[in-house]
Formats: sequence, C-alpha cells, structure tokens
Amino acid sequence: GQSLEQPSEVTAVEGAIVQINCTYQTSGFYGLSWYQQHDGGAPTFLSYNALDGLEETGRFSSFLSRSDSYGYLLLQELQMKDSASYFCASNQAGTALIFGKGTTLSVSS
Amino acid sequence: DSGVTQTPKHLITATGQRVTLRCSPRSGDLSVYWYQQSLDQGLQFLIQYYNGEERAKGNILERFSAQQFPDLHSELNLSSLELGDSALYFCASSAAGISGNTIYFGEGSWLTVV
Repeated sequence: GQSLEQPSEVTAVEGAIVQINCTYQTSGFYGLSWYQQHDGGAPTFLSYNALDGLEETGRFSSFLSRSDSYGYLLLQELQMKDSASYFCASNQAGTALIFGKGTTLSVSS
Repeated sequence: DSGVTQTPKHLITATGQRVTLRCSPRSGDLSVYWYQQSLDQGLQFLIQYYNGEERAKGNILERFSAQQFPDLHSELNLSSLELGDSALYFCASSAAGISGNTIYFGEGSWLTVV
C-alpha cells in the first residue's frame, strides 16, 4: 500500500528551527514533495527531493534518504506567518501525488 | 494565484442531491487532479485526467465521477450526497502526466451537505 506518516502537530517559537519528519511506505517511489497550506487555503508547493540529500530554498530545506524511506522539512528562523499545515507527498508510478495527513505548525512569539 | 480556477467556492446542498464542481487548469497544463480534504484529514486523491483521458484513480467513490473536456477544463460530479461528503474539494493541475512533482492547486470548493 501507500502511506506516509508525519507528526500531527508541532509547536515552536519565533526565530527557532523546527524539523517535520515524514516516513513513507510506497512502491514505485520517485521522490518526496512538501506542500504548505494555510487555514482553508490552497496547498502550495515548497520543495521536492528526487535524490538523497538536502535541498535548500531560503529558510526552508528538505532532506531525503531513500534507504531509510525517510525525509524531513527543516524550517529555520521561524516567523509567525509560517504557522500552517505542512504535507509531505510521495511521487510514485501509477498514481498522482499521495499526501500524508499533514503536520500543523504553530509558531508563537 | 496559482492560475487554477474552481467554481463554485461554496455550496450547500441536501442529502441525496447531486452537484457538479468545475475546474479550469492553468494555461497549458494537460493534467487535472481532484482531491478531497475533510476536517482533520489530509488530502485524499480522487482521480486524475491527462489530456482528456483518465490517467489514475484513487479513493473515489462510485457515486462520484469526473471528466475532462476538450478545452481541458474538468468537472467532478458528486451524486446521492451524504453528510460525510461534506469537505473541501480541490482541483490541481500540472503540465506533466503521471508523477508530476509539482502540482498547482485551486482555492477549492467548500461543499456542505445538510
């Protein structure tokens, strides 16, 4: 089957660093994507890892380890506006993006 | 603005009824995806169309159906509605066919079944 596991909630303070982990069990796996969704809004693409290693985009970085079926999203210098839900999603053969249930990040001052 | 347009933004309907949700993909995108997001649930993949043909099917109920028209817009038809069908329905599009890594979501259609 296809499933992704990620924590349901994470809390942090402004300026901190937070890591959101994602483990996956899929066949025909191509890569791992991350999406951000503010309350009731449209999910928006953050990053994609097809190869092992770290991808950096500004304050956000994403990591993938294929051998461990594991990835994470790293958010640095947290801001209040980063409070949102973050979804990992797997790209795989034969189907569209399959999303995890999401991690709600709450950033406090 | 992702360039994906969904209508209507909100609708309220009664159990047993049928509704149609409409989606216009980004200009040039051939793939359209439909996702359902219920309260406290993730994004459940329903179905994908690519250039007018069904490409992949997810957890779509038999009461639901979709199609993509020659102008590439898509419609999701939900029939015999039940209270549990109340959800936010997203359409997304991408240029790629299967396994496109970046898909662009519309703002969604909020469906409330009463």
